[in-house]
Amino acid sequence: GAGVSQSPSNKVTEKGKDVELRCDPISGHTALYWYRQRLGQGLEFLIYFQGNSAPDKSGLPSDRFSAERTGESVSTLTIQRTQQEDSAVYLCASNRYSTDTQYFGPGTRLTVL
Amino acid sequence: SQQGEEDPQALSIQEGENATMNCSYKTSINNLQWYRQNSGRGLVHLILIRSNEREKHSGRLRVTLDTSKKSSSLLITASRAADTASYFCATDAAGTYKYIFGTGTRLKVLA
Repeated sequence: GAGVSQSPSNKVTEKGKDVELRCDPISGHTALYWYRQRLGQGLEFLIYFQGNSAPDKSGLPSDRFSAERTGESVSTLTIQRTQQEDSAVYLCASNRYSTDTQYFGPGTRLTVL
Repeated sequence: SQQGEEDPQALSIQEGENATMNCSYKTSINNLQWYRQNSGRGLVHLILIRSNEREKHSGRLRVTLDTSKKSSSLLITASRAADTASYFCATDAAGTYKYIFGTGTRLKVLA
């Protein structure tokens, strides 16, 4: 079946602009995660969805970051007033339940000029 | 906060040799997982080991878990150039859903 998909694959934006990153999880996966990975670094947890509720937003680095999820499907990560330090690869993952293996999408590489 | 830390940060070996990577963490866990990442993009799941397991095999991969030392190791036997990638461990704190990833080991296998 189809894996986790993310769009766009690459995004270049100017400082101060807003961006939306999209994640389509595997069908039937109730849990969805967003991570940020800066160049040469590990994964930084941003937010976790169980269904369309987000019980843990503790990883969002500032109030410029927000995320939504429609039912148990697509999720959007929005970064407002982007800064150069937001440049990173944003990875999405999903699984059937929270202790299961996570399946990752290919990521969105965000570059803020 | 809980964190998996891999050691070494970078490893370079010849094709055919074995590669061993280690992961340490801080709190009790339900599971520990190892992932591979090529070219800084999506991660591929390699193996999951539960807290009540001590060793697991999958093809050329062997994972051990020592909960008393809060550490795990990943052994890749008979390495190939295609094994060149970054390898991450991920741990979940017992009773939570959240996986914390380490900073990774960058493995380079020379042909």
